[in-house]
Amino acid sequence: QVQLQESGPGLVKPSGTLSLTCGVSGGSISSSNWWSWVRQPPGKGLEWIGEVYHSGSANFNPSLKSRVTMSVDKSKNQFSLKMTSVTAADTAVYYCARIYGTPGDAFDIWGQGTMVTVSS
Amino acid sequence: QSALTQPPSASGSPGQSVTISCTGTSSDVGGYNYVSWYQQHPGKAPKLMIYEVSKRPSGVPDRFSGSKSGNTASLTVSGLQAEDEGDYYCNSYAGSSGVVFGGGTKLTVL
Repeated sequence: QVQLQESGPGLVKPSGTLSLTCGVSGGSISSSNWWSWVRQPPGKGLEWIGEVYHSGSANFNPSLKSRVTMSVDKSKNQFSLKMTSVTAADTAVYYCARIYGTPGDAFDIWGQGTMVTVSS
Repeated sequence: QSALTQPPSASGSPGQSVTISCTGTSSDVGGYNYVSWYQQHPGKAPKLMIYEVSKRPSGVPDRFSGSKSGNTASLTVSGLQAEDEGDYYCNSYAGSSGVVFGGGTKLTVL
């Protein structure tokens, strides 16, 4: 079955760029699914960041749109998140997830999550 | 983009039923049948429990059920068991605003 695994630096400096990758195993990134990023600040709730399709089409949370880009690398069967101008408020566990159907549908498979701390 | 409103906490004794609400607007919960529910245990990733308002993924016990009326969706857990304790989050499609989550409800099995 499909499994997701996040990877990337656990520490990012303020005003820097957060870069994470989600590796997809047991299935193809080029399937009919969309792929998403969700984050969770320590002790707080979940926040949708955005979603990307293997064609490169993407949709973003309006509150983060100006700082976020997402991309897909079909050769490596993975997708990525970049977030610029980070602050302490971006400290969170970042999850990658598969969307069950069309954009807006449920997140049916999740990665284990990776903690990213923004600090100097 | 406002979060959906969930009660911060809910509780019930083993064997009892508990219902968690998730209130939005006509632009999200009320406007689409894309409401999902997730269970999260401490230090773990969320797990999908209900999708498209009332559908259960394979492997999720039928003790979990979902419904929607107007702008409010609900998750009902029947026959509460100790392992049902955890945080529960709803989410909904919100059109051009994308996806919005509820603030989460901590379910305690007494």
